[in-house]
Amino acid sequence: RKEVEQDPGPFNVPEGATVAFNCTYSNSASQSFFWYRQDCRKEPKLLMSVYSSGNEDGRFTAQLNRASQYISLLIRDSKLSDSATYLCVVNTNAGKSTFGDGTTLTVKP
Amino acid sequence: DTEVTQTPKHLVMGMTNKKSLKCEQHMGHRAMYWYKQKAKKPPELMFVYSYEKLSINESVPSRFSPECPNSSLLNLHLHALQPEDSALYLCASSQGAGVRDTQYFGPGTRLTVL
Repeated sequence: RKEVEQDPGPFNVPEGATVAFNCTYSNSASQSFFWYRQDCRKEPKLLMSVYSSGNEDGRFTAQLNRASQYISLLIRDSKLSDSATYLCVVNTNAGKSTFGDGTTLTVKP
Repeated sequence: DTEVTQTPKHLVMGMTNKKSLKCEQHMGHRAMYWYKQKAKKPPELMFVYSYEKLSINESVPSRFSPECPNSSLLNLHLHALQPEDSALYLCASSQGAGVRDTQYFGPGTRLTVL
């Protein structure tokens, strides 16, 4: 079993749709969690850190469920520019980040 | 400013060449990382430097040799690479190497080994 698992998708949604991604992690000692987005042939860019109380940034909401060991990312009112691969990242040991394989989102007009 | 810069953007080299990748940040971060990313795969950690000392080496072949001349610079020296080493090489930095530190990535060097 992978340490961090994501649904690879692809998710194809129309503009304006709401879409949610889940990410599960296997190590209960994991301490911090992030969502990055990566555009084709570009570097990963931090989208959000994920806090246990959940956090929101505009159209994006991240949630952490420690009991079930998953994090989620909700995107509301999808834009064409949201098309990207979304990477779930989990930090367990200092200096080591474990990446999920990524979920591909395509937003269509 | 969360900028990490990398040079060159693209590099083509033969299997007998020696080349170096460079990474720089001026955010005062004390941890720097090298990752390798193949197409449609997530980044794979290669090395971590914390306070200019190598703290993690993920069993990377010796044909890859990292160097951290100072807290702002990170190099990756390449020698006798194989075609399967062709990938995007990403540098990242973070405030520290703690479990809660957020990593910021540079744009990467796209390496092709012929």
